[in-house]
Amino acid sequence: ETGVTQSPTHLIKTRGQQVTLRCSSQSGHNTVSWYQQALGQGPQFIFQYYREEENGRGNFPPRFSGLQFPNYSSELNVNALELDDSALYLCASSLPGTMRYNEQFFGPGTRLTVL
Amino acid sequence: AQSVSQHNHHVILSEAASLELGCNYSYGGTVNLFWYVQYPGQHLQLLLKYFSGDPLVKGIKGFEAEFIKSKFSFNLRKPSVQWSDTAEYFCASYNQGGKLIFGQGTELSVKP
Repeated sequence: ETGVTQSPTHLIKTRGQQVTLRCSSQSGHNTVSWYQQALGQGPQFIFQYYREEENGRGNFPPRFSGLQFPNYSSELNVNALELDDSALYLCASSLPGTMRYNEQFFGPGTRLTVL
Repeated sequence: AQSVSQHNHHVILSEAASLELGCNYSYGGTVNLFWYVQYPGQHLQLLLKYFSGDPLVKGIKGFEAEFIKSKFSFNLRKPSVQWSDTAEYFCASYNQGGKLIFGQGTELSVKP
């Protein structure tokens, strides 16, 4: 069973640029969630995708957007990067069903640094 | 808004010491509580979870947690820590909107 994978591992961008992060969900999982983890903080929910549609969003501006593909892999896009976007971005996948009872399986994360 | 809070930001213990990490949650309806661990350089992984039933939950690697409804608490415990338990620990819960809310995390350092 292949776990959740993310690419790239590390990324350095400058303010104002755009970035795309990628995630492949665990086999059989059709729900993908994205989180931002700033240094010294817990992960903050960005949004979730289920069957290629956004299914819930946290308190993040519209310049954070995403996609889910038919194979359940997902992308997180961030436009007009700001210094505060520097963080570890985590992707998690889960099985369908009642969300409150679903264990989420996390990928290793992408470390984004904005200069 | 529903929240999860962890009392300790950094805990330092010697090997064989007992561990208790605090977690409090604000009531949001259906109870669902999780403890995740993040070992250095590794993925977040689930230690244990509680939804209902016996309030003492046993997880992997000798960890357990106790749900105390009257205190809105779900503290993580381990009788005897090892150096390999050095990691960051997160308490989490789904809110009514279906978002997984994490506490700030507790960094545990175990001295050999």
